[in-house]
Amino acid sequence: GIQVEQSPPDLILQEGANSTLRCNFSDSVNNLQWFHQNPWGQLINLFYIPSGTKQNGRLSATTVATERYSLLYISSSQTTDSGVYFCAVAYSGAGSYQLTFGKGTKLSVIP
Amino acid sequence: DADVTQTPRNRITKTGKRIMLECSQTKGHDRMYWYRQDPGLGLRLIYYSFDVKDINKGEISDGYSVSRQAQAKFSLSLESAIPNQTALYFCATSDFPWTGGTDTQYFGPGTRLTVL
Repeated sequence: GIQVEQSPPDLILQEGANSTLRCNFSDSVNNLQWFHQNPWGQLINLFYIPSGTKQNGRLSATTVATERYSLLYISSSQTTDSGVYFCAVAYSGAGSYQLTFGKGTKLSVIP
Repeated sequence: DADVTQTPRNRITKTGKRIMLECSQTKGHDRMYWYRQDPGLGLRLIYYSFDVKDINKGEISDGYSVSRQAQAKFSLSLESAIPNQTALYFCATSDFPWTGGTDTQYFGPGTRLTVL
C-alpha cells in the first residue's frame, strides 16, 4: 500500500512564529488532504489539495504530485493552532481504493 | 462537524461482549467510512461504503463488521470485543468526486471505546 511519512513528528513554537510541515508519499495519489486534530480530539479538514497551492487565512498548502510531497505552512502561529496535523492520501482506480493517513505532526504553540 | 454524529461518545465494555457503534450524517454524502485511532498513530481505515449496496474492507477489518442501513447511517460492530480494540473510533463522510464533490472527508466527534 501507499506509505505516508510526516515530518517533523513534534514541533514546539513560540506564538507568532512560522512553521512548515511536510508530508511525503510513496506512490501516485488522486487525493491529498490535511487535517487538524485539536486537543479535544476533533478532526477538522484544512485542505483538499491533490495538486497546486491553496491558502486559507494564516494557513497555506502546496502539493507537488510529481515529486510526491505536500507542505503545510502555518504563519504567525497562535496557541489555538496546537494539536496534531495529519496528512492523508487516497488512490482509487481499477476497482480498488486505498486511503492512508500519516502518523501526524504534533504542534505545541506556547505563549 | 455537527452534520456527522456518533453514538455513544464513550463506552466501556468487557472482553467477549458484542458492541455496536453508530454513525449518522445529514450531509447527503454517499460515501461513509469507519476509522480507528490509537495513541501516537494516525487513523487506520476499517471499512468504507461508497453507497448503500457497496461495502468494502479497509486496512484493518478483522474483528469488525459493518452495516449500511441507509444513505445516512453506517454502523460498526465488534462481534466479540478484545482489549486491543480499545481505541478512538471515528466515522467520516465524503462527496462522490465525479458528481462535483471533492472527496473531502468530514469527521464525526469520535467514540472512545475501552475494552476491559
